[in-house]
Amino acid sequence: KAGVTQTPRYLIKTRGQQVTLSCSPISGHRSVSWYQQTPGQGLQFLFEYFSETQRNKGNFPGRFSGRQFSNSRSEMNVSTLELGDSALYLCASSPDRDGNYGYTFGSGTRLTVV
Amino acid sequence: AQTVTQSQPEMSVQEAETVTLSCTYDTSESDYYLFWYKQPPSRQMILVIRQEAYKQQNATENRFSVNFQKAAKSFSLKISDSQLGDAAMYFCAYRGNPNAGGTSYGKLTFGQGTILTVHP
Repeated sequence: KAGVTQTPRYLIKTRGQQVTLSCSPISGHRSVSWYQQTPGQGLQFLFEYFSETQRNKGNFPGRFSGRQFSNSRSEMNVSTLELGDSALYLCASSPDRDGNYGYTFGSGTRLTVV
Repeated sequence: AQTVTQSQPEMSVQEAETVTLSCTYDTSESDYYLFWYKQPPSRQMILVIRQEAYKQQNATENRFSVNFQKAAKSFSLKISDSQLGDAAMYFCAYRGNPNAGGTSYGKLTFGQGTILTVHP
């Protein structure tokens, strides 16, 4: 069974640009969450989608957005990139609606903003 | 808001020995889940063990076990017979009750992590 797949693995962007990251959850998983991981702030929750609906959102500016498609694949978009957006972005999926059995994470996308 | 604290930035253990990683959390909820995740250099977060707050019995997964003290809001991880492959960053995480307002959907609140080094 394929795991959570995130693409691309590495990305270098320039300040002011926008970026789109992709996440394919495990087959059958309908809940997808996104996290930002930095050395200073640790792991912070961005948002969660279930059946194409955003159910929860973390404390991030509006430049961070996401969506989920009917096949449960999810994308997150960051517009007007800032140097502080450099981070590892992790996606996680859950087999159940509430995530009671834990979340399976992908290997992340390492975004560097220069 | 819930918070998770891991007071040990780094820990080390000899191969085959036992080590305990500490975690405390703060919440006003009575129903929640706690997790330990492992993040090796490959970056992928791997679920080690989960605990349901309403269960008194401590969870166990092979060499990994927890000491869950609900009243003290403590959730430590014990690794027995440590192996070189256990070396990683370990994160304690809290997931609240999604039925209590929806603010917990998909959201894990993580501690700052503990780097575990295993010496041969």
